[in-house]
Amino acid sequence: QKEVEQDPGPLSVPEGAIVSLNCTYSNSAFQYFMWYRQYSRKGPELLMYTYSSGNKEDGRFTAQVDKSSKYISLFIRDSQPSDSATYLCAMSLGGYNKLIFGAGTRLAVHP
Amino acid sequence: ETGVTQTPRHLVMGMTNKKSLKCEQHLGHNAMYWYKQSAKKPLELMFVYSLEERVENNSVPSRFSPECPNSSHLFLHLHTLQPEDSALYLCASSQDWGSGQGKYEQYFGPGTRLTVT
Repeated sequence: QKEVEQDPGPLSVPEGAIVSLNCTYSNSAFQYFMWYRQYSRKGPELLMYTYSSGNKEDGRFTAQVDKSSKYISLFIRDSQPSDSATYLCAMSLGGYNKLIFGAGTRLAVHP
Repeated sequence: ETGVTQTPRHLVMGMTNKKSLKCEQHLGHNAMYWYKQSAKKPLELMFVYSLEERVENNSVPSRFSPECPNSSHLFLHLHTLQPEDSALYLCASSQDWGSGQGKYEQYFGPGTRLTVT
């Protein structure tokens, strides 16, 4: 079993839709949770960073962490074609901050 | 220059060549990382440096040799690579986990696309 599971997609949605991206994990000791966006042939860009459980909102993006279910989500409201990218979840135990990444979900938002 | 920069952006090398990848961070961080990203595989951590000291070597073959001369610069020296080493090599930086600032987000550079022929 992989430590972090993420559906690779691709996920195709119309412009303006609400997008839900998810990851599950097996290690209950993870404390720090991140979402990165990666455009083709670019480095990952940090979108959201959350410690422990709860919700965090930043503009059109909302990150949710449910530690009891070992499940994290990223919601994108009013999706735009510029949101078309691969979204990577990542998590860490803390300490020397080794990040464990999901495989990434490819999202396409079409006009 | 801002953020994390990497050079070169693209590199093609033969299996007998020796080359180096360079990373520089302009964020005032003191921890730096090398990752490998292959097609259809999750990002794999290779090396971690904290305060210029290597604290993680994630079972990486010795044909990859990292160097961290100071907290702003990180190198990855390459020699006698194999075709399966072709990948996107990403550098990242963060605050050191011992800084007590509670901010451990990692920021990535654009990567070096390496092709081994």
